[in-house]
Amino acid sequence: QITLKESGPTLVKPTQTLTLTCTFAGFSLSTSGEGVGWIRQPPGKALEWLGLIYWDDDKRYSPSLRSRVTITKDISKNQVVLTMTDMYPVDTATYYCAHQFCGGDCYFDSWGQGTLVTVSS
Amino acid sequence: QSVLTQSPSMSGTPGQRVTISCSGSSSSIGSNIVNWYQQLPGTAPKLLIYGNDHRPAGVPDRFSGSKSGTSASLAISGLQSEDEADYYCAAWDDSLNGEVFGGGTRVTVL
Repeated sequence: QITLKESGPTLVKPTQTLTLTCTFAGFSLSTSGEGVGWIRQPPGKALEWLGLIYWDDDKRYSPSLRSRVTITKDISKNQVVLTMTDMYPVDTATYYCAHQFCGGDCYFDSWGQGTLVTVSS
Repeated sequence: QSVLTQSPSMSGTPGQRVTISCSGSSSSIGSNIVNWYQQLPGTAPKLLIYGNDHRPAGVPDRFSGSKSGTSASLAISGLQSEDEADYYCAAWDDSLNGEVFGGGTRVTVL
């Protein structure tokens, strides 16, 4: 069974950097085909894909956030870390990490519960 | 503004069939598979359909997906009260080199 859980601050001040950790179990991010993505959802709005890291350390980022987002992994700890710089109130959202499996088709088959991050002074 | 276009809301009565559409482009749906996610109120999204028309284990067969050209559809046959949720389509976009989501469709069971 795959599980994921996001952790990090619930409140950040404008211009600060957000660091969220996704701790997972049930798969290894060193196995071919595995990946972990980050998706966010502002209150009452749609899902927005932020980026993804693959088992081979390949990374993809949303073009609109590429300059602000970094995703890294620590295989020994079964963790993936999202770093987003220059946070502003518009970045207030629930942030999800999700397991992506690519076996021909790629899809997010397991999601964390999400963590609400509020950007406010 | 989402890259994939969905109707914001739909409604139906129990037992009715509803179809949710998702419109994209040649670089997204036209070139890649579509996945659908269901988000019940206050919960994280859940994979509902993958690879255009495949159901993960545990998803009732009243849910079905299809794709044609640059559009995709999710059908719910025999609508039930527990199907009241937000539904999102998603696909990889080759031009953006990233995943894109639809704006979501809220289904209300009357």
